Amino acid sequence: GAGVSQSPSNKVTEKGKDVELRCDPISGHTALYWYRQSLGQGLEFLIYFQGNSAPDKSGLPSDRFSAERTGGSVSTLTIQRTQQEDSAVYLCASSLGRSTYEQYFGPGTRLTVT
Amino acid sequence: EDQVTQSPEALRLQEGESSSLNCSYTVSGLRGLFWYRQDPGKGPEFLFTLYSAGEEKEKERLKATLTKKESFLHITAPKPEDSATYLCAVPDRAGNMLTFGGGTRLMVKP
Repeated sequence: GAGVSQSPSNKVTEKGKDVELRCDPISGHTALYWYRQSLGQGLEFLIYFQGNSAPDKSGLPSDRFSAERTGGSVSTLTIQRTQQEDSAVYLCASSLGRSTYEQYFGPGTRLTVT
Repeated sequence: EDQVTQSPEALRLQEGESSSLNCSYTVSGLRGLFWYRQDPGKGPEFLFTLYSAGEEKEKERLKATLTKKESFLHITAPKPEDSATYLCAVPDRAGNMLTFGGGTRLMVKP
C-alpha cells in the first residue's frame, strides 16, 4: 500500500512569509507525528495527533508554529513569519497507535528560508 | 528526561568488514527501542523494534541486540548499499513521541 506522502518536497520562501506543509498518513493509522531535522540538531519532535484526542504540542518551538489534522487523516503544519532558523527538513510519520508502535516516515519537506 | 546517544558518529568500513554500532539510552522504564535507516534526502526507514533485554532481531546483514542500558546494531560483511545513517530512538513515557539519537553515518567502500 501507499506510504506516508508529503508535499511539497522542497519549499524556498522569503523571511517573514508564511508556509504550509502537508502530510498524508498511511490509511488506517490513527497516530500522526511531525518532526524537524536540521544539521547538527538531529530529529526533533514537534507535535503528535492521536485520533480525536487533543494534540501534544509540547515540541513546537514557538507560537509561530501550528498544526491541524482534518478528519483524522491529512495534516498541515503551518509556520508563520518564517525565520532563517526555521530552515530544516520537516518529516511526518504515522503509526497504528502510540509511539510504542513503529512509526513510518514520509520523505520530508526541505524548507529553505532566505 | 530520556536521552539517547549513538556512537561512533561516523564509521568507514571496507566491504566485508564486520562491525557494530552502539546506542546507549537513559529512560524511565524502557517501552521499546527502535532502529531506523536513513538514506540522503529520504525519511527514516523502519528496521527493528526491541522490547526487552536479551532480545535479538535480524534482517539480512543486520542484527540488533538489546541490553538494559544499550543496543547494538551488528553489520556482518557489509556491502556498499548498506551505506546510510542509522538512527535509534526510544518512545517517551506518554507514548507521544520518539527521542532519537544523533545517528551513525556508515560508509562502506568497495
